[in-house]
This record gives sequence, structure tokens and C-alpha cells, in this order.
Amino acid sequence: DGGITQSPKYLFRKEGQNVTLSCEQNLNHDAMYWYRQDPGQGLRLIYYSQIVNDFQKGDIAEGYSVSREKKESFPLTVTSAQKNPTAFYLCASTTFRAPKNTEAFFGQGTRLTVV
Amino acid sequence: AQTVTQSQPEMSVQEAETVTLSCTYDTSESNYYLFWYKQPPSRQMILVIRQEAYKQQNATENRFSVNFQKAAKSFSLKISDSQLGDTAMYFCAFMKPAAGGTSYGKLTFGQGTILTVHP
Repeated sequence: DGGITQSPKYLFRKEGQNVTLSCEQNLNHDAMYWYRQDPGQGLRLIYYSQIVNDFQKGDIAEGYSVSREKKESFPLTVTSAQKNPTAFYLCASTTFRAPKNTEAFFGQGTRLTVV
Repeated sequence: AQTVTQSQPEMSVQEAETVTLSCTYDTSESNYYLFWYKQPPSRQMILVIRQEAYKQQNATENRFSVNFQKAAKSFSLKISDSQLGDTAMYFCAFMKPAAGGTSYGKLTFGQGTILTVHP
């Protein structure tokens, strides 16, 4: 079955360390997205990519970096510059092809905790 | 920029009864899409219902229906015959078409409403 796989499910980071969250999709979707979820704030867009080797900042990109070397993969690196990285991170994807081009598919998320 | 507001942090309902979750949004766009997503305790985001702004008819999906008031920028979700499995966080979300109409997908979310269905 096609879907989006995020790994790991839980991740612990020491202060000052960079960590990378994995997101892989086998839906042949064109665009991929990273959202951050905090209590009481809903989901906020970190980065998105509509095509391989290209990506754009979302609303809260500071302290994060991404790459899109393959259509299937969109890893997110949380750098030491991110002051409050403890959160739940969700990856999503969409296709450009109508009529499904408004439906976002989500992974199961990664819970990142700074220790 | 778009904003989405859900003013009800928590709601509760008895099993088999009806509940309405509220959502308002702000945009200068004329063509856009609105969504309700459900996030159960597993934290998997599930699409509940979608509304296209240029369609006046309110969307329905089985027990779920919306009241879309474009002029008022209001988009409420009604859940009829509530079931224990409806217990979840519900998010209202906005999506606008990108320039050129080829790239959708960026979602703006509200803060969420925790719905608890009691037996």
C-alpha cells in the first residue's frame, strides 16, 4: 500500500546537537511538506518542496534545514539554532494531478524531545 | 496571509447526539479550499471533509456535514449521531491554489478543538 513513512517515531536530542527526521513517500507525489505541531497552536508549516532539488521556507523555517534530492524523500534537519525544538513533527505530501491535487496525505509523525 | 481561528479549545458530547465545531478564517482570496481534519490519539491526521469555496452547496460525508458561510468566512463542522470513535482533536484548515493552478498543498491550520464523546 502507498503511504508516507516517518522515522523514527520518537527521537531524543541533547542540546546543541543536530538531528535529522526522515520522511519517505511511495505515492509518487510531487510536493512534500513539513509541519510542526505544538499544544494549542495547531500545525505550522516549516518547509515545503514542489520539485526535486528545490524547496521554500514556510512560516517557521528558522533553525531548520531540508533537502529534496529524490522525489520520494524529504528529510528535515533540526539544527542547534532551533531554540525550542521539542514538538511533534508531521510530514505530508500532495500530487499536482487533479482531481486529487487538494488532498494532503500525512505520515504518522515524529515526537522530538530535547533532553 | 491567511488565518484560521478555532475558538473552542475543548468540546464534549454524549454518544448519539449532535455537536458542532466552529471555525472562522480570514483571506482575500476568492477561490480556495477548506478542510476539517481529525487527529485521534494515534496522532494520524485523517481528512474528514473538504469544501470548495466556489461551490455554494455544503459538503457532506456520512455523519459529517459543514455549514459554509463564505461572506461571513465561517466554516463549521456538524457531527451527527456521535460515536466514541469520533473522540479526537479536530483541525480546520485552509488551502489556496498556488499561482498557475498547478501546485496546491500548503495548509494553514487552526489551533484545534479537542472533542470528547462520552458513553
